[in-house]
Amino acid sequence: GNSVTQMEGPVTLSEEAFLTINCTYTATGYPSLFWYVQYPGEGLQLLLKATKADDKGSNKGFEATYRKETTSFHLEKGSVQVSDSAVYFCALRAAGNKLTFGGGTRVLVKP
Amino acid sequence: DAMVIQNPRYQVTQFGKPVTLSCSQTLNHNVMYWYQQKSSQAPKLLFHYYDKDFNNEADTPDNFQSRRPNTSFCFLDIRSPGLGDTAMYLCATSRGTGGVYNEQFFGPGTRLTVL
Repeated sequence: GNSVTQMEGPVTLSEEAFLTINCTYTATGYPSLFWYVQYPGEGLQLLLKATKADDKGSNKGFEATYRKETTSFHLEKGSVQVSDSAVYFCALRAAGNKLTFGGGTRVLVKP
Repeated sequence: DAMVIQNPRYQVTQFGKPVTLSCSQTLNHNVMYWYQQKSSQAPKLLFHYYDKDFNNEADTPDNFQSRRPNTSFCFLDIRSPGLGDTAMYLCATSRGTGGVYNEQFFGPGTRLTVL
């Protein structure tokens, strides 16, 4: 079956530091890949997505590249802010529009 | 603004006492989903409706039911909540399930506590 594995948190950073969250997946076929962000007490928001190999998704300074050869979709941001503190979920979409999520990575950015 | 609304945001119920969670949408989307998210875990799909067609996930307990009386509203009914049903329940919608129409839009969630 499909699965998503992402690095466990929490990840604690200082403001303006570089952020990387690793995500790898197992799936049949060619899934679409997503990063969602969940701020405290809120639902999920789509951060970025990529629908085919070598696509790069980007939004709000975050980037992730769909790497078919390594089955990865790592999230990066060059300079984080306190407002980036949240839980980040990597996910893949299979047939029937079903999302499979990774376990989530909590990121805490300190001033 | 078009959006996905969940009520209530917080719900406390007693062990075994039926509870209903509500989701409404102004996006006029065809598909509505319910996810369960336990503390520090990933969201897990319980079921979804495509229009009036109900699609249950194989491992969703029978204790969980859903109703969709019209396009805008979808309800999650937990017939006899157990302590293990304490979780955040997320509603999501999408226009369709294929191609460019499958992005899911999530509501803010209802945090359910079973005592």
